[in-house]
Amino acid sequence: AQSVTQLGSHVSVSEGALVLLRCNYSSSVPPYLFWYVQYPNQGLQLLLKYTSAATLVKGINGFEAEFKKSETSFHLTKPSAHMSDAAEYFCAHYTGGFKTIFGAGTRLFVKA
Amino acid sequence: DTGVSQDPRHKITKRGQNVTFRCDPISEHNRLYWYRQTLGQGPEFLTYFQNEAQLEKSRLLSDRFSAERPKGSFSTLEIQRTEQGDSAMYLCASSLAIGGSGNEQFFGPGTRLTVL
Repeated sequence: AQSVTQLGSHVSVSEGALVLLRCNYSSSVPPYLFWYVQYPNQGLQLLLKYTSAATLVKGINGFEAEFKKSETSFHLTKPSAHMSDAAEYFCAHYTGGFKTIFGAGTRLFVKA
Repeated sequence: DTGVSQDPRHKITKRGQNVTFRCDPISEHNRLYWYRQTLGQGPEFLTYFQNEAQLEKSRLLSDRFSAERPKGSFSTLEIQRTEQGDSAMYLCASSLAIGGSGNEQFFGPGTRLTVL
C-alpha cells in the first residue's frame, strides 16, 4: 500500500542552523510530492511541490527539497533556520486518481 | 481568489448532538476533499467530491457522517450523534483537476470540534 514516512516526529535546531526534515515515499509510480507547513490552529499551506521537472525544487520561505528516485526520498531543507519556521511540516504523495497520502508530520522547534 | 474558507472555526458540543460544518472552496476548483486530523497526525482522508458527485468515502466515515456538495459549490459535513472520539480538526481542501498539477490541494483553516 502507498505510504509516506517522515523520520522524526520532532526536530529541534538552533536559530541559524541547517534544517533537514526527512520524507520517504513508497511507490514505483512516478510521483507528485509535496511539502506543506501548518501553524497552530491553521490549515496546511503549500511550501513546494515536485512534479517531475527539476529534481531540486525551491519553495517559499527559503525551503527547498530534492527528489531522489533511487532513495525514494524527498527531504526538505533550509540553510538557516528562523524562529518563524517553528511549525509542523507534512510530506504528501500523489500518484494519480484522487487520493493524496500524507505523512504523520514533523514538528520543528527552533531555539534562540 | 479568496482561498478556501470553513465555518465555524471552532465548535464545542455535547456528546449525542449533531453538528454541521461548511466549506467554501476556491470558486473554479472542481475537486473538494474533507480530512480529519487528530493531534500529532497528518490529515486522514474522509471523502472526495468531483463537482457535485461524491466519488469516494473512507472507511473512517461511519454512518453517522454525511457530506454533500449541492451544485458543485460549497460543501457540508454533518456528524450525527457525536461521540468523544469525533473530537478532531476537520479540514477541507479543494483542487483543480488539470494535467501536470499533481492535484495540488489548497486547504482551509479547519474546524476544530470538541465533543464533551
